Amino acid sequence: ETAVFQTPNYHVTQVGNEVSFNCKQTLGHDTMYWYKQDSKKLLKIMFSYNNKQLIVNETVPRRFSPQSSDKAHLNLRIKSVEPEDSAVYLCASSLGQGNQAPLFGEGTRLSVL
Amino acid sequence: GDSVTQTEGLVTLTEGLPVMLNCTYQTIYSNPFLFWYVQHLNESPRLLLKSFTDNKRTEHQGFHATLHKSSSSFHLQKSSAQLSDSALYYCALRVSFNKLTFGAGTRLAVCP
Repeated sequence: ETAVFQTPNYHVTQVGNEVSFNCKQTLGHDTMYWYKQDSKKLLKIMFSYNNKQLIVNETVPRRFSPQSSDKAHLNLRIKSVEPEDSAVYLCASSLGQGNQAPLFGEGTRLSVL
Repeated sequence: GDSVTQTEGLVTLTEGLPVMLNCTYQTIYSNPFLFWYVQHLNESPRLLLKSFTDNKRTEHQGFHATLHKSSSSFHLQKSSAQLSDSALYYCALRVSFNKLTFGAGTRLAVCP
């Protein structure tokens, strides 16, 4: 099966803890993204990687750090979570061409207590 | 910077009536790509349509849209709404390969 796979589906944690989310795509794409979808359903890009290289790094707090071991994997670490980090984190991938639409994973829902 | 503006908030329709969700964009790039995504409850966004060349209509699953560079628009239309069309719809703009900018989303509710 070819798709974008995210783990975990849900994560509940307390303020100040560290969390890590994993993303893997089996589509042969060369570009991967992390998006944040907040409680108002706004979709904001956080990072994008092309062939393991960081290309886009939007204005996100420094406690967020992406990690890419190869072009099929893009993980996201949050060093010390805050209440406002509660959201759905969506991983996506695409080919690096303008008319190629990113395909999204199922998302990781983070709740910070 | 690049931006996308969509019909705000909630659009409520009776089943069988036509659907039109507005999308306009702003960018300095002359060759943008526009997309419509649909997100059903408890699911992730899924691609519905993507633009081709200027003034060329694209269709999928009964929905259609036409990119008009002259008015910077890519409105989503359907001739007859179905109950299953109830969802959140996003218009998105891509001017480079590494970034897709989304509008705020329009929620469509189709009633019997």
